Amino acid sequence: KAGVTQTPRYLIKTRGQQVTLSCSPISGHRSVSWYQQTPGQGLQFLFEYFSETQRNKGNFPGRFSGRQFSNSRSEMNVSTLELGDSALYLCASGRSQETQYFGPGTRLLVL
Amino acid sequence: GIQVEQSPPDLILQEGANSTLRCNFSDSVNNLQWFHQNPWGQLINLFYIPSGTKQNGRLSATTVATERYSLLYISSSQTTDSGVYFCAVEPAYSGAGSYQLTFGKGTKLSVIP
Repeated sequence: KAGVTQTPRYLIKTRGQQVTLSCSPISGHRSVSWYQQTPGQGLQFLFEYFSETQRNKGNFPGRFSGRQFSNSRSEMNVSTLELGDSALYLCASGRSQETQYFGPGTRLLVL
Repeated sequence: GIQVEQSPPDLILQEGANSTLRCNFSDSVNNLQWFHQNPWGQLINLFYIPSGTKQNGRLSATTVATERYSLLYISSSQTTDSGVYFCAVEPAYSGAGSYQLTFGKGTKLSVIP
């Protein structure tokens, strides 16, 4: 069974631009969560989607948004990029509350 | 929110040595997972262990839920064990179906030949 996939793997943007990251969960998993990892703040929860509905949201500004499609694939969008948005963005999928499986991540660099 | 503290923050081992990593959490949990982050950034699941003891090869984990801590044991360490080990929890007060993990800051393990 294929794992969680994320695209693109690497991305370079400039301040003020916007970016969209994609995550395809493991087949059969309906929950997709997004996390941001930075050296200073560590791993922080962004939001979680289940059956196309956002169920939980972390403490991030409104510039961070997401959505989930009927096939459970998810996208997250960051508008008006800031230097501090440079991070590794990780997506996780799960079928139950037990185990979350993470993708390889997207490394975003904002110049 | 729930607090997760991992110790030690850094650990250097000679190949073949054993180690114990600790995770303390401040509230009751529904979910506790241990992950290994490889040098490329991917989080690899090691254990789902909100309570009890599990073993998988050279790795084992124990969670004492009543005392709010979990331990990850690595025996006969190998250079491929190097990386950062994270403990992540989901608090019980978040209710069923939360799927929101709070991570500790990790333990960086370096295994030298």
